[in-house]
Amino acid sequence: DADVTQTPRNRITKTGKRIMLECSQTKGHDRMYWYRQDPGLGLQLIYYSFDVKDINKGEISDGYSVSRQAQAKFSLSLESAIPNQTALYFCATSDSGGAQETQYFGPGTRLLVL
Amino acid sequence: AQSVTQLDSHVSVSEGTPVLLRCNYSSSYSPSLFWYVQHPNKGLQLLLKYTSAATLVKGINGFEAEFKKSETSFHLTKPSAHMSDAAEYFCVVSEPWGYQKVTFGTGTKLQVIP
Repeated sequence: DADVTQTPRNRITKTGKRIMLECSQTKGHDRMYWYRQDPGLGLQLIYYSFDVKDINKGEISDGYSVSRQAQAKFSLSLESAIPNQTALYFCATSDSGGAQETQYFGPGTRLLVL
Repeated sequence: AQSVTQLDSHVSVSEGTPVLLRCNYSSSYSPSLFWYVQHPNKGLQLLLKYTSAATLVKGINGFEAEFKKSETSFHLTKPSAHMSDAAEYFCVVSEPWGYQKVTFGTGTKLQVIP
């Protein structure tokens, strides 16, 4: 979805390195999310943010941190990358919630930690 | 707690034949249900969603799904498969839980044979 962009699309890094994955959206949504996808496991929530001042841990936040620089930008950092953080990472946005809430996903960032 | 089970990890059909991808869910609330599709090296695209309106939901590209509360199912169907339908499909359940807690199934890979 061109309304949600992620950079970089692919990244190879080494164990112990700090890296940042960036997400931008033009949908005007308040809510943003970071997920990781591992084969056979579906998507797991890392962090979510309801607005610039509201950031929350998801199911698997250990080893990750986030920054919500603006309504449109939500970055995910791996402070010291490890091989089991090799995965496909998705950013998503949604509007203000309720039964009609739908999440819209970016194209993903494929990360390989050596 | 909510959960979602996709009953088949792989489905193979011939082009022009019907598609059935099965999904069962459990939820303590009246959930919202979604199907997303992921084409190779692409992000997640919303196919359709159920949010307590009509039980038969029509989506994009000829797909539809029927919400059956008595069977706790939300199976995805298409009358005639096309080569471009080859992708991975995710069933998703969502219910209000502070944030709108979203649980992904583990995915079904659809292969379409010419």
